[in-house]
Amino acid sequence: IAGITQAPTSQILAAGRRMTLRCTQDMRHNAMYWYRQDLGLGLRLIHYSNTAGTTGKGEVPDGYSVSRANTDDFPLTLASAVPSQTSVYFCASSEGTGAYEQYFGPGTRLTVT
Amino acid sequence: GQNIDQPTEMTATEGAIVQINCTYQTSGFNGLFWYQQHAGEAPTFLSYNVLDGLEEKGRFSSFLSRSKGYSYLLLKELQMKDSASYLCAVRDGDYKLSFGAGTTVTVRA
Repeated sequence: IAGITQAPTSQILAAGRRMTLRCTQDMRHNAMYWYRQDLGLGLRLIHYSNTAGTTGKGEVPDGYSVSRANTDDFPLTLASAVPSQTSVYFCASSEGTGAYEQYFGPGTRLTVT
Repeated sequence: GQNIDQPTEMTATEGAIVQINCTYQTSGFNGLFWYQQHAGEAPTFLSYNVLDGLEEKGRFSSFLSRSKGYSYLLLKELQMKDSASYLCAVRDGDYKLSFGAGTTVTVRA
């Protein structure tokens, strides 16, 4: 059982390029989340999905989009990358939105130059 | 927005006890979580409190006072492998998690 996988592990991207970060979970969890983690700021929620077919905006959604076509996959797209999007991106999932812990993927380290 | 405060760094000796405090002000409250994150790795779940009081799980305990907006994580019998960042996270009224910046604990021999 893999849990949550993310791809790529790391990426260097030129500013202005489009990039999709992939996230897949095999736990049949209903809820999925994307966070970015920056030094001194902690984890900040970008977008979330409470169940397949629905998505919502988190604390820092600008410049990012997501889709949730099925239960397992929750890709995050940067339409036109900017240097301020340099960060470590974590995907997470939970059984539901109630009193459930979130399980985190290994992260993607993205550098926008 | 949410406001979650925790110390930036703490250092302790192997075998000792360390207490990491977390204070919060959020829009609604649906539980407080503690996560452990080793350098370069993903956060992993440690504890969850939704009612006032102490939750004990082996060497780790977590306390919550909702009226004071306060929690602490207690690490006992510290081991070198406990060197990590400890993240306090609060679930708000919309069931979204907001994280503090994390406390880096360094355990010295």
